[in-house]
Amino acid sequence: DAGVIQSPRHEVTEMGQEVTLRCKPISGHNSLFWYRQTMMRGLELLIYFNNNVPIDDSGMPEDRFSAKMPNASFSTLKIQPSEPRDSAVYFCASSPGQALYGYTFGSGTRLTVV
Amino acid sequence: RKEVEQDPGPFNVPEGATVAFNCTYSNSASQSFFWYRQDCRKEPKLLMSVYSSGNEDGRFTAQLNRASQYISLLIRDSKLSDSATYLCVVGNNNDMRFGAGTRLTVKP
Repeated sequence: DAGVIQSPRHEVTEMGQEVTLRCKPISGHNSLFWYRQTMMRGLELLIYFNNNVPIDDSGMPEDRFSAKMPNASFSTLKIQPSEPRDSAVYFCASSPGQALYGYTFGSGTRLTVV
Repeated sequence: RKEVEQDPGPFNVPEGATVAFNCTYSNSASQSFFWYRQDCRKEPKLLMSVYSSGNEDGRFTAQLNRASQYISLLIRDSKLSDSATYLCVVGNNNDMRFGAGTRLTVKP
């Protein structure tokens, strides 16, 4: 299995631009998570999906952030408009749906908003 | 109070040393516990689950103390390759909370 695949690996964008991050979970995993990691705040859960349905988006910072999961093999996290304080590493993770197995993380997208 | 708290370290230990980290959690209803390892500029990777009875995987031992609401990770005979940040994870089902991590550096 190729694991959780995220793209792009790095993204540098100007303030005000739209940013779209992509994630392909492990086949057969029915839970998908988007996390953001910064030095100041550590790993923060933004949103998670179960069977493609958003379950908890209470971690999404504000309306500029949105996430979709149109099918079991693809999810996007969009920031529009982006701001410098959005600079962070964004991780996608998936799990079989039972906490017993933990999460598998993708390699992350390092976002820099200038 | 944070839901999951860890000593950020850094812990600097010589090769071969034994080192232990603790992680406290605030939600007494938590049922799932894990230790993850994160190398610099990499993603977190599952190191081991933590079971109620405690569990061991080679040089690594994890324990859970429900009464005092903490989990621990013990690393024996530490190697240079153990240098990383260790994250504890606590929660239920898909509501898992990550600690900020404890940084470990093993020196020759």
